[in-house]
Amino acid sequence: QSALTQPPSASGSPGQSVTISCTGTSSDVGGYDYVSWYQQHPGKAPKLLIFEVNKRPSGVPYRFSASKSGNTASLTVSGLQAEDEADYYCSSYAGISNFVIFGGGTKLTVL
Amino acid sequence: QVQMVGSGGGVVPPGRSLRLSCAASGFIFSSFGMHWVRQAPGKGLEWVSGLSYDGSETYYGDSVRGRFTISRDNSKNTVFLQMNSLRAEDTALYYCAKENGGSSLDFWGQGTQVTVSS
Repeated sequence: QSALTQPPSASGSPGQSVTISCTGTSSDVGGYDYVSWYQQHPGKAPKLLIFEVNKRPSGVPYRFSASKSGNTASLTVSGLQAEDEADYYCSSYAGISNFVIFGGGTKLTVL
Repeated sequence: QVQMVGSGGGVVPPGRSLRLSCAASGFIFSSFGMHWVRQAPGKGLEWVSGLSYDGSETYYGDSVRGRFTISRDNSKNTVFLQMNSLRAEDTALYYCAKENGGSSLDFWGQGTQVTVSS
């Protein structure tokens, strides 16, 4: 099973909004409402930002929002802050055979 | 608070085996699925394997199916990954992670390094 497709990089200035896309197929992103997003700072373990397409775990700022349309999910970071500079990964449930599939990751740079 | 501490990594030649362990605390371990996710140097995340709360259902990624075995001991709050026939491409930092339901992983360990090299 191929990885979900994310742009390798994204950028924005402080205070701006940035949207990162995550494209899969009807067998993963489009077939289930089980898309997650993770943030990973260098040398650190990933942190769950979004689960079940658009739900935020406790403690995740409202600046992080997400949605899905068809086979493509999106993460929007509003009011960019310097600490938002990190790698972002999407993932999706992909059925019993493959269970979880990740995107290739997007490096977000705050200019 | 939730903690997961991995161990068992190291440097091994191709073809050998390793067994990773991940000891969890701070939550009801026997109620949640657990997973292993790896990250090769400078690369992205790759899901490796997962199992249900009671260990009755196990899942594997294509690249490790038939070589790796996941298991758990709920009496010791520990999940294991038995890795056989290791290859150079298995070299990575291996994270254990707690499932939040619907395949999302809400808590991650610090990672255990596995290096396969002659």
